[in-house]
Amino acid sequence: GQNIDQPTEMTATEGAIVQINCTYQTSGFNGLFWYQQHAGEAPTFLSYNVLDGLEEKGRFSSFLSRSKGYSYLLLKELQMKDSASYLCAALDSNYQLIWGAGTKLIIKP
Amino acid sequence: IAGITQAPTSQILAAGRRMTLRCTQDMRHNAMYWYRQDLGLGLRLIHYSNTAGTTGKGEVPDGYSVSRANTDDFPLTLASAVPSQTSVYFCASSDSVAGGTDTQYFGPGTRLTVL
Repeated sequence: GQNIDQPTEMTATEGAIVQINCTYQTSGFNGLFWYQQHAGEAPTFLSYNVLDGLEEKGRFSSFLSRSKGYSYLLLKELQMKDSASYLCAALDSNYQLIWGAGTKLIIKP
Repeated sequence: IAGITQAPTSQILAAGRRMTLRCTQDMRHNAMYWYRQDLGLGLRLIHYSNTAGTTGKGEVPDGYSVSRANTDDFPLTLASAVPSQTSVYFCASSDSVAGGTDTQYFGPGTRLTVL
């Protein structure tokens, strides 16, 4: 079966760095997405990786290892507004997105 | 530009009633999707449409139907609502289904409670 695993909840301190991990098992693979979702709001796109390596976008970076079925989202210089759920989703061979349950990130002052 | 709009924002519905959730996008995207999001579970695809005039079943299609008469609108109908359909429903769209980054853009969601 197809599966995405990510931690349910993480806590970090304002100004610090946090890494949110995601492992995936899909039938075929056409890329991995990270979305941010604030409570009561819609998911919004953060990043897309299809090749191995690190993609950096300001304070957020995303890493992919296709051989290991593994990705992480790295958030630097954490701000209170980064408190949200972070959703990992893999695009399978049929170009359907398989979603993880999300990681709720709590930022403490 | 509004992006994707959904209506209603929230609804309480008696079991057995028929309900249509509306979704409209103004980005001229080819593909549209309906998801449900339940606590502790990932987004689950209900139905999708690759282009106007075509629809397909997702992971959890039972009890739901969709139509895609034109590019902009993608309504989701619950023919006879049941309490297990209580959820938050998100509509999404993307420029294309195959190839590229295929980023999906989401509407604000409809919170549906079936009693």
